[in-house]
Amino acid sequence: EPEVTQTPSHQVTQMGQEVILRCVPISNHLYFYWYRQILGQKVEFLVSFYNNEISEKSEIFDDQFSVERPDGSNFTLKIRSTKLEDSAMYFCASGWLGTTEVTDTQYFGPGTRLTVL
Amino acid sequence: DAKTTQPNSMESNEEEPVHLPCNHSTISGTDYIHWYRQLPSQGPEYVIHGLTSNVNNRMASLAIAEDRKSSTLILHRATLRDAAVYYCILSDFGNEKLTFGTGTRLTIIP
Repeated sequence: EPEVTQTPSHQVTQMGQEVILRCVPISNHLYFYWYRQILGQKVEFLVSFYNNEISEKSEIFDDQFSVERPDGSNFTLKIRSTKLEDSAMYFCASGWLGTTEVTDTQYFGPGTRLTVL
Repeated sequence: DAKTTQPNSMESNEEEPVHLPCNHSTISGTDYIHWYRQLPSQGPEYVIHGLTSNVNNRMASLAIAEDRKSSTLILHRATLRDAAVYYCILSDFGNEKLTFGTGTRLTIIP
């Protein structure tokens, strides 16, 4: 069964450094998402991406964050200058909101644990 | 986003059926009811979704009240692997993001 993969599984970085989290969505999916979950808290939506542009973003997704689909398979989340409060699990998801679907089912990856020191 | 209310936690015995309730009294006519679950240390996993009619798939059944103000996720025979946090989420037509609440933490007793 196809699945979303994410690398690395754990990233440790110093405050102020840039990090790039990588995701390979399911191949025929059209929509891509990033969510995060701070330890012990809810899963929070960050951004959705469709047709090579951001479709929707949350208040969390400020200028420090960016997303990119650099080739036909990878989907990346960049944090330009990490803060301590960026420490969280980051989940990538993909979905196929095609013509026969009226609501999206999202398939999540296993997550990248980001630790900012 | 329309709000859902779920019990914080539930327990069930292994191999017994489990009924996980969700209230969504402010649901709109175009809201779909989705259920996801999150196993320990994993990403959320799609379980099932429906609009008005009851739905069945290989994982679970979804029973939707006639007035759509509540729904119940039914696991027919719980296993230890079903121990997870279960989220009931409303999503409007074409709405992309999922808004997670705190969900119901399901504990399965061997």
